[in-house]
Amino acid sequence: DTEVTQTPKHLVMGMTNKKSLKCEQHMGHRAMYWYKQKAKKPPELMFVYSYEKLSINESVPSRFSPECPNSSLLNLHLHALQPEDSALYLCASSQVRRGSMNTEAFFGQGTRLTVV
Amino acid sequence: GIQVEQSPPDLILQEGANSTLRCNFSDSVNNLQWFHQNPWGQLINLFYIPSGTKQNGRLSATTVATERYSLLYISSSQTTDSGVYFCAVDRGDYKLSFGAGTTVTVRA
Repeated sequence: DTEVTQTPKHLVMGMTNKKSLKCEQHMGHRAMYWYKQKAKKPPELMFVYSYEKLSINESVPSRFSPECPNSSLLNLHLHALQPEDSALYLCASSQVRRGSMNTEAFFGQGTRLTVV
Repeated sequence: GIQVEQSPPDLILQEGANSTLRCNFSDSVNNLQWFHQNPWGQLINLFYIPSGTKQNGRLSATTVATERYSLLYISSSQTTDSGVYFCAVDRGDYKLSFGAGTTVTVRA
């Protein structure tokens, strides 16, 4: 099973709302990622968790707050977003080998977020 | 970070045609992947190929790591092959960098 599951698939939220995106994998992967993809652009890395610890934050604004409750789950909490944050948010996971290096990444179907 | 360049940016094919997509990268890599993004946004893994040659049905890929490029071959293209093809690389440091993609349109 090489499946990464994201919910919801679509989300419309107002600028004063708080919402969360969820991601789950059962492949035993110890690295999990959030990416953001704007229309007609490649995905861009936001956050990386390795062994449930935040290891990379690519200077993402604090209105995006990641959380990794356990090795299978990854959340992205959203608060006070702007219309320019509208995008496809992709979750991914990968195995970690030799204790520290990632391998092949597998992506979820994404959450298409619209901020109004 | 590693720079990734894909060519061509756009490709229009007649059904049944063959094509080659190219990915150049600026530094040595531990991981290299080819993805197909479908119209719904799903990134589908095509190949994990940091070096060597692999084949899967009508698709094949070759990576020449010493010369820092990878090629994706599509043979006997079908309309379902339409979409955006991404090459992505990293050094094993979790920072998977994507090229800008090649948009493939296959016409019946």
